[in-house]
Amino acid sequence: EIVLTQSPATLSLSPGERATLSCRASQDVSTLLAWYQQKPGQPPRLLIYDASIRAAGIPARFSGRGSGTDFTLTISSLEPEDFATYYCQQRLSYLTFGGGTKVDIK
Amino acid sequence: QVHLQESGPGLVRSSQTLSLTCTVSGVSISSGGYFWSWIRQSPGKSLEWIGYIYYNGKTYYNPSLKSRVSISLDTSRSLFSLSLRSVTAADTAVYYCAREVTRSSAYFFDVWGQGSLVTVSS
Repeated sequence: EIVLTQSPATLSLSPGERATLSCRASQDVSTLLAWYQQKPGQPPRLLIYDASIRAAGIPARFSGRGSGTDFTLTISSLEPEDFATYYCQQRLSYLTFGGGTKVDIK
Repeated sequence: QVHLQESGPGLVRSSQTLSLTCTVSGVSISSGGYFWSWIRQSPGKSLEWIGYIYYNGKTYYNPSLKSRVSISLDTSRSLFSLSLRSVTAADTAVYYCAREVTRSSAYFFDVWGQGSLVTVSS
């Protein structure tokens, strides 16, 4: 099983600040990695797929990069609605999710 | 607009079978290119993929759940179903159905149901 390790577990930032979230895979997943945002009581929402492609309707402040085992999701300037939990997910071998990074208000 | 809706009992007794249905609207469930999936999330925890079924009925399951899981497709009623046998308290979770899309070798979940909380009681 491919394990995805997300860091940090919690990121405390203020609106307007830059958020950098990390996802590390236990083996090479190429670019078969997606990022999701989840708010309490809601299902996850697709942000990024194929490591760096923004999904339809996702604001340009969200960007993804990486390949192989190291991936990053960056939110260039946090808006109030961006405070949520973010998950990465790989699709190379079956399908697994990372443990999540919670972005909360400092 | 594609819409997925889970339905089923919110309470299941330990050792019994959990059964959920996901009704799909806005797209033909028998269209190729989509994997119809079940994913769960235990309270306060991350997401766990359970398995998926392709339009032709082929299934793939999480190896950790494979011995207890079945996913089936009913194209006449535009729905797919989850069956999880011999449940324990560890199976208490919000269960989501979701559509996985494949596009130019990329895969991603683009549509999710709202989720169905299932509690396993002793």
